[in-house]
Amino acid sequence: EPEVTQTPSHQVTQMGQEVILRCVPISNHLYFYWYRQILGQKVEFLVSFYNNEISEKSEIFDDQFSVERPDGSNFTLKIRSTKLEDSAMYFCASSPGSGTSGSRTGELFFGEGSRLTVL
Amino acid sequence: AQTVTQSQPEMSVQEAETVTLSCTYDTSENNYYLFWYKQPPSRQMILVIRQEAYKQQNATENRFSVNFQKAAKSFSLKISDSQLGDTAMYFCASVPQAAGNKLTFGGGTRVLVKP
Repeated sequence: EPEVTQTPSHQVTQMGQEVILRCVPISNHLYFYWYRQILGQKVEFLVSFYNNEISEKSEIFDDQFSVERPDGSNFTLKIRSTKLEDSAMYFCASSPGSGTSGSRTGELFFGEGSRLTVL
Repeated sequence: AQTVTQSQPEMSVQEAETVTLSCTYDTSENNYYLFWYKQPPSRQMILVIRQEAYKQQNATENRFSVNFQKAAKSFSLKISDSQLGDTAMYFCASVPQAAGNKLTFGGGTRVLVKP
């Protein structure tokens, strides 16, 4: 069964460093997402991406964050200058549709997550 | 804005028994969807069950069923005949119909199924 894969599973970085988290979504999916979960807090939406552009982003997703689909298979999240509060589990997800209508609304396919620790 | 609350951080259940997980939510939307996602240890989150708010009938997927009380804004998950593989973190989530797949999650309930 197709899966969303994420690398690395765990990354430790120094504050101020750039980090790139990588995801390979399910191949025939068109919509891509990043969610994150700070330890002890809820999973929260960061950004959605479709047709090579951001379709929606949350308040968390400030100028330090960017997303890219560089080669048609990978979907990356870049944090330009990491802060201590960026330490979290980052989940990539994909879906076949946008979710605005139909039977697939809310059916996201998640990866296992990438744990980012900022020291 | 939507909020989702899961009041039980952890629950345990004996194998073959039934366990019910609570979830309450708040929304000003008329049309929305509710979900339960399951995340086994070190595995991906997967969708267990979904409910359209406009449907009165409670959703069922094999051993998983929900009790959707729209007026009370309650959406509990019942796991019947619990199996060891049901051990996982369970997240309740919601999304307005017009919000695509921008889900709002609850804090999660850790379920441990004991042999």
